[in-house]
Amino acid sequence: AQSVTQLGSHVSVSEGALVLLRCNYSSSVPPYLFWYVQYPNQGLQLLLKYTSAATLVKGINGFEAEFKKSETSFHLTKPSAHMSDAAEYFCAVRRTYSGAGSYQLTFGKGTKLSVIP
Amino acid sequence: DTEVTQTPKHLVMGMTNKKSLKCEQHMGHRAMYWYKQKAKKPPELMFVYSYEKLSINESVPSRFSPECPNSSLLNLHLHALQPEDSALYLCASSQLTSGSASYEQYFGPGTRLTVT
Repeated sequence: AQSVTQLGSHVSVSEGALVLLRCNYSSSVPPYLFWYVQYPNQGLQLLLKYTSAATLVKGINGFEAEFKKSETSFHLTKPSAHMSDAAEYFCAVRRTYSGAGSYQLTFGKGTKLSVIP
Repeated sequence: DTEVTQTPKHLVMGMTNKKSLKCEQHMGHRAMYWYKQKAKKPPELMFVYSYEKLSINESVPSRFSPECPNSSLLNLHLHALQPEDSALYLCASSQLTSGSASYEQYFGPGTRLTVT
């Protein structure tokens, strides 16, 4: 069964520092992977998704993620943190397609990013 | 327009009340989802609709009753809820896939539900 593990429930970085949020996946088939961000009291917003077209995926707000099959990882990075990046980040994998046209996401437990001025 | 809207933003209800949550999207998506999110937890899938038909029910108690009256609207009817049902309820939508494509889910802002 497809699953994801996010390492670190809370990450703190200084403003301007590198952001690295870790996500490892478990999948018996090529996975479809997503990173979502959730600001306080809001819904989830898609940052980026991996669809096997390219291993380095660029997303919104300067974020990117690299798919590494050998490490079963899909870590999220941003070269320079902004105060506005403080939020909860979720890695997700699409569960095995059921054939009904829709699909289920399995989310990691989330990583809260704090940015220190 | 990539917006999913949800009403109301906040809802407080007693355990004997009946209320409904509403979700709307105009992206032409034919898959719609209800999630429940407790504080400091990831979203948990409750229901999935494909072509306005319920395709997945994740063993949700019958006090939650979903409805998809048309391709743009999704409702969640609430009756006799318990205090532990207090949570953020999120609606999402996506294009249908044949399995080989990966379409993201678009989420609404959620309804913050408090059961007293």
